[in-house]
Amino acid sequence: KQEVTQIPAALSVPEGENLVLNCSFTDSAIYNLQWFRQDPGKGLTSLLLIQSSQREQTSGRLNASLDKSSGRSTLYIAASQPGDSATYLCAVRKSGANNLFFGTGTRLTVIP
Amino acid sequence: GAGVSQSPSNKVTEKGKDVELRCDPISGHTALYWYRQSLGQGLEFLIYFQGNSAPDKSGLPSDRFSAERTGGSVSTLTIQRTQQEDSAVYLCASSLDAGTDTQYFGPGTRLTVL
Repeated sequence: KQEVTQIPAALSVPEGENLVLNCSFTDSAIYNLQWFRQDPGKGLTSLLLIQSSQREQTSGRLNASLDKSSGRSTLYIAASQPGDSATYLCAVRKSGANNLFFGTGTRLTVIP
Repeated sequence: GAGVSQSPSNKVTEKGKDVELRCDPISGHTALYWYRQSLGQGLEFLIYFQGNSAPDKSGLPSDRFSAERTGGSVSTLTIQRTQQEDSAVYLCASSLDAGTDTQYFGPGTRLTVL
């Protein structure tokens, strides 16, 4: 069974700092990996999707990398803002599977 | 266009009652997923629909859980004889197809079983 782990579970940083969120998965036979943010009481918003053949994806201040062989992905957030405060979830789609396997998330707080 | 919508947003029920949760996917999306997010746990997959194919029910936790998708669009998740451990946020997602596309999530239904 695919297991997805996210470290740290919670992170507080002052506004303006660059930060890295980590995601690891046990089965490297993945189809793609997706990063989401979840705001309290709301659904998930997709941030970036990386196909298994790709190494990274960028969107604005966000950059996600994927090292499939080592079972790791990172989400880099540049120049953090208070509006970035949310829970960030990493999800992996295994090859041959239809669903996503989610990590338990990292709760980010950006302090003004 | 409109995103994935779910109703109700909140549902409180008594143990033993049946509940129905509704999901309206993004128009044109052929793939639809149900997930559950319990307190202190990650999201877990429940069931998946793709077009007119037989659904993937491998994530349903018990036979009290069932889901259907009518006309390839709206989906209903039914929980019979609810138990307290069924309390969770139930999230629905859709994607253009089951291939490389992003899954788009609805706001969820928070179910509380008393």
